[in-house]
Amino acid sequence: GAGVSQTPSNKVTEKGKYVELRCDPISGHTALYWYRQSLGQGPEFLIYFQGTGAADDSGLPNDRFFAVRPEGSVSTLKIQRTERGDSAVYLCASSRGLASPEQFFGPGTRLTVL
Amino acid sequence: SQQGEEDPQALSIQEGENATMNCSYKTSINNLQWYRQNSGRGLVHLILIRSNEREKHSGRLRVTLDTSKKSSSLLITASRAADTASYFCATDDRPGQNFVFGPGTRLSVLP
Repeated sequence: GAGVSQTPSNKVTEKGKYVELRCDPISGHTALYWYRQSLGQGPEFLIYFQGTGAADDSGLPNDRFFAVRPEGSVSTLKIQRTERGDSAVYLCASSRGLASPEQFFGPGTRLTVL
Repeated sequence: SQQGEEDPQALSIQEGENATMNCSYKTSINNLQWYRQNSGRGLVHLILIRSNEREKHSGRLRVTLDTSKKSSSLLITASRAADTASYFCATDDRPGQNFVFGPGTRLSVLP
């Protein structure tokens, strides 16, 4: 595709519910990153995939957060038992990997937990 | 872990003036990237500079890197109202690692 796409663009859920956020990276990009961003802050790293495997998941805040990338392309970020503090914009980025590490970001999913 | 810190936190200038933003980091880096973000959604990649590079240009943008001072600067020349945005630097400390973002500089260009 022309760029990184993320769906949905907005998600409103109730505390305790389960949500899935989807990211479609740029075709041919092997690396995929998830970040979240709160108002007035810089993006906070969550997890990084190289191909199908999670190369670094040290940014996931707790075990309610999980992400997959089963075929090395589309990725899904899953949040269980959502809490109000999970409200943020969730950003996805992709890159060609080590040789060309420039990251290209999607528009984000704004998650609101009521 | 590695983190860039932008300075100043906020900057207001008149259209046509130059804007300079700085990024400082704590430990050695592999790459440093600058991004722009409008209205809190979607970051736009501006420039990547590698640790063995000292200066890069792209249009009205000029990025410098001083590894001895552990700092980088982003210069926007002849600013326009459309340059109003938040600007972030992001660093990785070795190949294959994630990038860590600073809190950003909020630039306002007044017409």
